[in-house]
Amino acid sequence: SQTIHQWPATLVQPVGSPLSLECTVEGTSNPNLYWYRQAAGRGLQLLFYSVGIGQISSEVPQNLSASRPQDRQFILSSKKLLLSDSGFYLCAWRGVGRSYYNEQFFGPGTRLTVL
Amino acid sequence: AQSVTQLGSHVSVSEGALVLLRCNYSSSVPPYLFWYVQYPNQGLQLLLKYTTGATLVKGINGFEAEFKKSETSFHLTKPSAHMSDAAEYFCAVSDSNNDMRFGAGTRLTVKP
Repeated sequence: SQTIHQWPATLVQPVGSPLSLECTVEGTSNPNLYWYRQAAGRGLQLLFYSVGIGQISSEVPQNLSASRPQDRQFILSSKKLLLSDSGFYLCAWRGVGRSYYNEQFFGPGTRLTVL
Repeated sequence: AQSVTQLGSHVSVSEGALVLLRCNYSSSVPPYLFWYVQYPNQGLQLLLKYTTGATLVKGINGFEAEFKKSETSFHLTKPSAHMSDAAEYFCAVSDSNNDMRFGAGTRLTVKP
């Protein structure tokens, strides 16, 4: 069966510090991968998605970036965090193929607080 | 382009009462429709989905939803609310041409 991991689970960082969040998927190959953010009291905001190694599409221009160095690894980064980067970050994957119906499977999330 | 509208950002019901969370979608081709639930500080969990076939879909925790093409709706219902149903609920749509799009979410509160 497939599983998705995110770490760390929680993170408190000062403004201006760097960020690295990691997401890994097990039990599937060549998934599409997604990063979402939830700010307090708001819905899901799609940040990045990837259809393959080294292929990143950005949905919202900002000080965050994403990378996919391996097939089942997706990393969210920032060189300098802003207060507005605080939120709950979710990674998701979906299988490629008709049988998946584009369903996305979510990780447990990372709670980021920027002070 | 496809989109999802969830009517009501907050819904409050009493324990034992009917739960009704509304979702309307737009899609130019036959849609795939989903409901997810999110408990505090957790990821999203699939409640149920409609892809093809029977329009009344049953999911986990006693929830069900009915796909009504004429009304472009996929409302989520549960006959009797339980305290443990308090959570955020997201409706989502995708189709054969487009990736998943989520609604803004509805926060369900259950009063004792």
